[in-house]
Amino acid sequence: NAGVTQTPKFRILKIGQSMTLQCTQDMNHNYMYWYRQDPGMGLKLIYYSVGAGITDKGEVPNGYNVSRSTTEDFPLRLELAAPSQTSVYFCASASAPDRSKQYFGPGTRLTVL
Amino acid sequence: KQEVTQIPAALSVPEGENLVLNCSFTDSAIYNLQWFRQDPGKGLTSLLLIQSSQREQTSGRLNASLDKSSGRSTLYIAASQPGDSATYLCAVVPSGTYKYIFGTGTRLKVLA
Repeated sequence: NAGVTQTPKFRILKIGQSMTLQCTQDMNHNYMYWYRQDPGMGLKLIYYSVGAGITDKGEVPNGYNVSRSTTEDFPLRLELAAPSQTSVYFCASASAPDRSKQYFGPGTRLTVL
Repeated sequence: KQEVTQIPAALSVPEGENLVLNCSFTDSAIYNLQWFRQDPGKGLTSLLLIQSSQREQTSGRLNASLDKSSGRSTLYIAASQPGDSATYLCAVVPSGTYKYIFGTGTRLKVLA
């Protein structure tokens, strides 16, 4: 049981490039989340999903897109990378019966130069 | 709008001390509050979850309390050890949602 996995662990992008951060969970959780954590700050919610085919915006969605075609996967897409998107990105998941308890992946550290 | 604040931002203590980390939130309408530990370069590990109907939770040397009416939670760490060095984050889930609102964390260093 791997829990929540994220790839890649590290990435450096140039301004204007695009990339997809991958997130997979093997716990059959309905709820999935993407957060970003800036240095010295707490986590802020980017997007979340309550099930396959259903997504919604969080606090800081601008510059990102998501999709949820399967229960297991919740990729986060950056279309035109900007320096302001330099951050650590965390994916999390939760089950429907206990959606208040989220399980976090190890994070992806992204730098945009 | 719910806001979560953690004080102090950083704390250094000698090994063996008992210590208290504070978390305050502006709206008492919460579903629960959770304390996390984050090691450098790592993800978050859940320490304690307190439901809105509960006053405290304990796990080993950790005790978390919740006072909804005053918008406060404390995390008490007994007999601190160097291995407790990490950043501690609290997060609330506002009522009617399933979204965490995180505080900015307290960076703890326990000196041997």
